[in-house]
Amino acid sequence: GAVVSQHPSWVICKSGTSVKIECRSLDFQATTMFWYRQFPKQSLMLMATSNEGSKATYEQGVEKDKFLINHASLTLSTLTVTSAHPEDSSFYICSARDLELAGAPNEQFFGPGTRLTVL
Amino acid sequence: GQQLNQSPQSMFIQEGEDVSMNCTSSSIFNTWLWYKQDPGEGPVLLIALYKAGELTSNGRLTAQFGITRKDSFLNISASIPSDVGIYFCAGPYNTDKLIFGTGTRLQVFP
Repeated sequence: GAVVSQHPSWVICKSGTSVKIECRSLDFQATTMFWYRQFPKQSLMLMATSNEGSKATYEQGVEKDKFLINHASLTLSTLTVTSAHPEDSSFYICSARDLELAGAPNEQFFGPGTRLTVL
Repeated sequence: GQQLNQSPQSMFIQEGEDVSMNCTSSSIFNTWLWYKQDPGEGPVLLIALYKAGELTSNGRLTAQFGITRKDSFLNISASIPSDVGIYFCAGPYNTDKLIFGTGTRLQVFP
């Protein structure tokens, strides 16, 4: 149980284009999903918290107009990197919390990540 | 702001050796989580700790929640090649967010 998938697993795009990344909880429902970014040899940095049916909340320094988040259902959140530039190249990872794990409110289950390369 | 510092930063050990790493914080946490990340993959939860002083095992892995609530330790016994990866500690803040430690990179040689 508690499987999270991401699509695509990797993407290469030209500078100025937009890229959409999907995050799905496959066998559980998640009202909250999280988006992280990880640069090479660094830790995971939280970008935003995605809440089903409401606006995402962004961490300080993350541009909400550049990183559009939509959480349309209890099993799907999408991150769109708009007008991507080479400095946006990174490993983007989503996570989700299982509503049923009442005794483990802080445990997050992570997707396999999406490697974005902007040329 | 909050920071989770992990040490050592990296470890190079021989297969069969035991491994010990720790995570320290400048503030108190009520939960400690330990994750492992393989190259090109997302982190996988190894052990969750919810009580100060708690000692929890998962196979060859043992983790402890420090009494001060500002640190946690992860031990791996009898390491094997598939233990290679980056180990992260993580703690919750602002109700449901997680902050991740700086990571310990483990390399196991046969």
